[in-house]
Amino acid sequence: GAGVSQSPRYKVAKRGQDVALRCDPISGHVSLFWYQQALGQGPEFLTYFQNEAQLDKSGLPSDRFFAERPEGSVSTLKIQRTQQEDSAVYLCASSLYAGWDTDTQYFGPGTRLTVL
Amino acid sequence: KQEVTQIPAALSVPEGENLVLNCSFTDSAIYNLQWFRQDPGKGLTSLLLIQSSQREQTSGRLNASLDKSSGRSTLYIAASQPGDSATYLCAVTRAGSYQLTFGKGTKLSVIP
Repeated sequence: GAGVSQSPRYKVAKRGQDVALRCDPISGHVSLFWYQQALGQGPEFLTYFQNEAQLDKSGLPSDRFFAERPEGSVSTLKIQRTQQEDSAVYLCASSLYAGWDTDTQYFGPGTRLTVL
Repeated sequence: KQEVTQIPAALSVPEGENLVLNCSFTDSAIYNLQWFRQDPGKGLTSLLLIQSSQREQTSGRLNASLDKSSGRSTLYIAASQPGDSATYLCAVTRAGSYQLTFGKGTKLSVIP
């Protein structure tokens, strides 16, 4: 079956532009996660959705970052007024169950964002 | 704050060799630990998940051990193959948290 997909795979933005990154989780998965991975680093947690509810957004680095999952399936991560330090790979993951004792997270291929 | 460290940062071995990757974490109050593989331009693939009550997990040529009290985990790869070349990441969760906390990874190269 289809895995987690993300689009676009690559995005180049000029500093100050707004960007929107899309994640299509595995069908039926309740939990959805966003991570940010800078070059040479491990992924860092950004936010967590259980269905359409955003239960944890403690990892969002600033109020320029906004995520939504309005119908409990597709999710969008939006970054306003992009800065060079936002350059990273943005990974989306989903898992079947809800709650903190969740099962394995399945990751998408990521969107590589480059801010010039 | 939980910190996860992986040593070495990079490793190059000849094909057929057995190898060990190391992961340490500062807060032993973890719920589980996972090992992931990341190939260039691709997402992460979960290899093994060890619950905090377990000591080890095995899958094929891979064996992961967990010593929660000392804050350490190892990933053992037997009879390495060129296809094992990738970056290996370990990550921990703590009870009550949704977050995975990752190390920076070990980049493995298996030379034919």
